[in-house]
Amino acid sequence: EVQLVESGGGLVKPGGSLRLSCAASGFTFSNSLMTWARRPPGKGLEWVGRIKSKTDGGTTDYATAVKGRFTISRDDSKSTLFLQMTSLRTEDTAVYYCTRGGAWGQGTLVTVSS
Amino acid sequence: DTQMTQSPSSLSASVGDKVTITCRASQNSGNYLNWYQQKPGKAPNLLIYAASNLENGVPSRFSGSGFGTDFTLTISSLQPEDFATYYCQQTFSVPLTFGGGTRVEIK
Repeated sequence: EVQLVESGGGLVKPGGSLRLSCAASGFTFSNSLMTWARRPPGKGLEWVGRIKSKTDGGTTDYATAVKGRFTISRDDSKSTLFLQMTSLRTEDTAVYYCTRGGAWGQGTLVTVSS
Repeated sequence: DTQMTQSPSSLSASVGDKVTITCRASQNSGNYLNWYQQKPGKAPNLLIYAASNLENGVPSRFSGSGFGTDFTLTISSLQPEDFATYYCQQTFSVPLTFGGGTRVEIK
């Protein structure tokens, strides 16, 4: 069974940084395209970005709203996905989800507030 | 970026009703279109992929259709557990984008 467990969320001040992790199990992580998405409070889903498998080049793509501020990386030896967030803004407040195909984790809440 | 426009943004319906939600893409998205259901406090659940393919385990009352820029999600007979918010997502071009969502409420 595919399992995705996010961690690392919390309260951070505007301009601050935070690193989210996603521990994956139940599938071959190293061969998988992995994605981050988010849902701000009271709003709809937003795609954040993705990272391809190393065999597909390991490249990353990002949403326009986070490009240059967020970085997605992966540790295939630990089946773990990361989202490094810098220069955080209040509008980045959201539940952040790790996804692989149709499988989603339960999410971790990031609150950006002074 | 490809803009995804869902309509309606919300609707009220009764158990047993047929419900149709539409999603329009600002650019050709082929059949690269997913539909998700999300309930409060829960992760989204994939219902339909590639515009018309039912995900494993999803009830057959859900169906999807469309190609290019116009897509539809249909629930043939609404059940109590179907009251939720539904999202379309195009996966044809980066950045991938979601529609704004359709909230299905009990009449």
